[in-house]
Amino acid sequence: SQQGEEDPQALSIQEGENATMNCSYKTSINNLQWYRQNSGRGLVHLILIRSNEREKHSGRLRVTLDTSKKSSSLLITASRAADTASYFCATDDRASGGYQKVTFGTGTKLQVIP
Amino acid sequence: DAGITQSPRHKVTETGTPVTLRCHQTENHRYMYWYRQDPGHGLRLIHYSYGVKDTDKGEVSDGYSVSRSKTEDFLLTLESATSSQTSVYFCAISDGTAGPQHFGDGTRLSIL
Repeated sequence: SQQGEEDPQALSIQEGENATMNCSYKTSINNLQWYRQNSGRGLVHLILIRSNEREKHSGRLRVTLDTSKKSSSLLITASRAADTASYFCATDDRASGGYQKVTFGTGTKLQVIP
Repeated sequence: DAGITQSPRHKVTETGTPVTLRCHQTENHRYMYWYRQDPGHGLRLIHYSYGVKDTDKGEVSDGYSVSRSKTEDFLLTLESATSSQTSVYFCAISDGTAGPQHFGDGTRLSIL
C-alpha cells in the first residue's frame, strides 16, 4: 500500500515560475525523501529531510516537513525546461530487523514550458 | 551516477516462459532492491536483499523469486511469466538503512 500521496498529479508551468508539489503520508516516519525521474530513466535522489527537521534547502530546491499534518512540500524555484520530470516522495520507515523500508508515492508529473 | 547496470534493458517474451533480470552494482552497497513501476501505482517493492544470500519479500512478491550469490549481483526471476507482470522493473541500491537509494535505468518487460 502507498504511504505517500503526491498532489497535484500533474502540473504545467512556464519557465521561470516556481513549482510546488505536496506529499501526504499516513503513518509516523523517520525520514522523507524526494526523487526525480526523467522519462525513460531511473529515479534520482534529490533531498532527504529527517523527521526532526522542518525545512531543508538544496540549490533551487526547498523541502518542508510538517509531521503534525503528516505532509511535505517540494518547491522548485525559477524552474527550467530541464526540470520537466516526475517527482516522487518516499517515506523512510525503519522496519523490524533494521533494514530500510522505503515506500514511494505515485508522483507528480511536472512540465516546464520554455 | 552510481554504478548500477540492469540487463537486459528491454525484453519481449511469451506467457509461461521463465525470465531473469540482472542487476549489477560496482558500489559495494549492502542493500539491493527490485521494484516494479506501473501507471497509477508508483513504485512497488518486489524483493530486497540485505546481504549475500539474505533476501526478503516486498509488497508484491508473488510470482517472483530473487537470488544474491555475490555482493554485486541481484537477480530477479519470473518462473512462469504472466501478462500481469508486464512492467518496468527497477533495481536500486543503498549503503545503509537511512539514506538515499540509487536506481538503475530500468528494464522494460513485455509479456505477450
